[in-house]
Amino acid sequence: AQKVTQAQTEISVVEKEDVTLDCVYETRDTTYYLFWYKQPPSGELVFLIRRNSFDEQNEISGRYSWNFQKSTSSFNFTITASQVVDSAVYFCALSDPQAGTALIFGKGTTLSVSS
Amino acid sequence: GAVVSQHPSWVICKSGTSVKIECRSLDFQATTMFWYRQFPKQSLMLMATSNEGSKATYEQGVEKDKFLINHASLTLSTLTVTSAHPEDSSFYICSANPLLALPYNEQFFGPGTRLTVL
Repeated sequence: AQKVTQAQTEISVVEKEDVTLDCVYETRDTTYYLFWYKQPPSGELVFLIRRNSFDEQNEISGRYSWNFQKSTSSFNFTITASQVVDSAVYFCALSDPQAGTALIFGKGTTLSVSS
Repeated sequence: GAVVSQHPSWVICKSGTSVKIECRSLDFQATTMFWYRQFPKQSLMLMATSNEGSKATYEQGVEKDKFLINHASLTLSTLTVTSAHPEDSSFYICSANPLLALPYNEQFFGPGTRLTVL
């Protein structure tokens, strides 16, 4: 069965701190995709990144970076120099394109950044 | 980029009434649309998969007679919550899978509809 675990329910940091959100996934498939979404208080999901199972290169986009490690089935997300606007719920998700399934979401991590 | 809209964005209704939520792909055709439900402070849970021209596939525990899904065209899927009760109050989000979205299961999410049943 496929599963996504975000063990951190809530994280609170002060502005300019770095913060890492953990994501561990389970799947028996060799081809799959991993995602991170941001959900601000408005509720609309904001797509952050998609990574396929064959691409283990880490990615950096501005203050955001992602560390994908198949050996530990993890896809962690780091925000560098956090800002108040980063406060939101962050979801990690898994998709198996071969089965044509919907996304399987983790329970989310609520990040609060205070000034 | 691909845009998915939902209407209404929020709705308040009385217990026992039915509510229809529309999900439209504005600039692409979608063979498959998904409906998710999110209770406060919880994750998104898939309710059903909607395929154009065929019956929707419901997840375990989701009552198909209560949550009617119609995917009549390649750009529109509707979710009707029949005889709504307070426990149906939730945030409903749809996503659309573009036609020929290979090699990965590209999905575009709508902004969500917040349903409050009094």
